[in-house]
Amino acid sequence: AQSVAQPEDQVNVAEGNPLTVKCTYSVSGNPYLFWYVQYPNRGLQFLLKYITGDNLVKGSYGFEAEFNKSQTSFHLKKPSALVSDSALYFCATYNFNKFYFGSGTKLNVKP
Amino acid sequence: AAGVIQSPRHLIKEKRETATLKCYPIPRHDTVYWYQQGPGQDPQFLISFYEKMQSDKGSIPDRFSAQQFSDYHSELNMSSLELGDSALYFCASSLAGQGQMNTEAFFGQGTRLTVV
Repeated sequence: AQSVAQPEDQVNVAEGNPLTVKCTYSVSGNPYLFWYVQYPNRGLQFLLKYITGDNLVKGSYGFEAEFNKSQTSFHLKKPSALVSDSALYFCATYNFNKFYFGSGTKLNVKP
Repeated sequence: AAGVIQSPRHLIKEKRETATLKCYPIPRHDTVYWYQQGPGQDPQFLISFYEKMQSDKGSIPDRFSAQQFSDYHSELNMSSLELGDSALYFCASSLAGQGQMNTEAFFGQGTRLTVV
């Protein structure tokens, strides 16, 4: 079975501080992992993906994610948070013709 | 760049009515996905198409059907609507190919369906 888990419903961080949004995965075979961001009443926007290669993946808007096979994690990170980063973040895995999404983490960045 | 286009953006229907949601994928993308997102929930997979053929089916009620046409646009048909069908319906497309997994999906802005 394919699944991803996001253990935090909400993450609060001050502007300028580093942020981490956590994701763990459970997949059969090689993991194909993605991060998407959703702003209110908007569709999901692709941030980054891990297919193979370097464990540190860089994506849009200064985000990056670290693939850790031993911990089965794919945490999303950003060195310095912006208020405009406040949104809902979804981790996802892809297998057999569909994406499986986590439950989402609401990121609140306070000025 | 062209994105995934969904229409209508908003739709209000009464119980037991029917609704048709349309999706226009990114040109040359061969795979279309439909997802349903209830309030405060993660997107739930409904159905996908690869090269106009249904490739996978998720938790889609029997009252719903979908198809992909020769021009690659897709329609989600929903009949005998229930209050619980109120949700945001997303379409996504990708250049996945059958069994290929190295590409991301691009999502439309969604259709917000409200059943009253």
